[in-house]
Amino acid sequence: DTAVSQTPKYLVTQMGNDKSIKCEQNLGHDTMYWYKQDSKKFLKIMFSYNNKELIINETVPNRFSPKSPDKAHLNLHINSLELGDSAVYFCASSQRGGNNEQFFGPGTRLTVL
Amino acid sequence: AQSVTQLDSHVSVSEGTPVLLRCNYSSSYSPSLFWYVQHPNKGLQLLLKYTSAATLVKGINGFEAEFKKSETSFHLTKPSAHMSDAAEYFCVVSDRGNQGGKLIFGQGTELSVKP
Repeated sequence: DTAVSQTPKYLVTQMGNDKSIKCEQNLGHDTMYWYKQDSKKFLKIMFSYNNKELIINETVPNRFSPKSPDKAHLNLHINSLELGDSAVYFCASSQRGGNNEQFFGPGTRLTVL
Repeated sequence: AQSVTQLDSHVSVSEGTPVLLRCNYSSSYSPSLFWYVQHPNKGLQLLLKYTSAATLVKGINGFEAEFKKSETSFHLTKPSAHMSDAAEYFCVVSDRGNQGGKLIFGQGTELSVKP
């Protein structure tokens, strides 16, 4: 029944490592997103994909590379992890358009040591 | 450019009393406005949205918000707080014509409910 799912829920890793977070939605939406929530709970969009095409890239470092194998999946790969990457990462999905509700996943808490 | 300002970082109310969470927005375009709620260690859930229909919007769990263009405000209210309302609340703006679906979040307001 899960609408937007993310794995893993928690991710603890050392600086310099490479890690991936997976996201899947079963709502039939055509657009998916990645958001970063910092320690002060501020949420900011990172990427948006529509039908596997990148449409928003919010000046995120090149170490972050989203990949969308199909419109139901949007994975986030992070190279050379830094301390400042520690945050909660949320995946979301919606039908394309500024009117539409975005459905959020439960979040992945990334801790870089 | 679009922006959102939530005027209170923390609001504390007693159970059974009214809730008011304040939000002002700035938008060059016709905005869509949303309120999302985040319970501890959970994802975000939509409470309500305004997209150009009625200016008084009713949402889930007894919440409502009124879009006031002249004041550029979209305050969230509830007549009677419940303990389960304790959470972080985000006011969000989007350009209605924005096909990218980019949401701009406010800084969040933490609502505490005292017994």
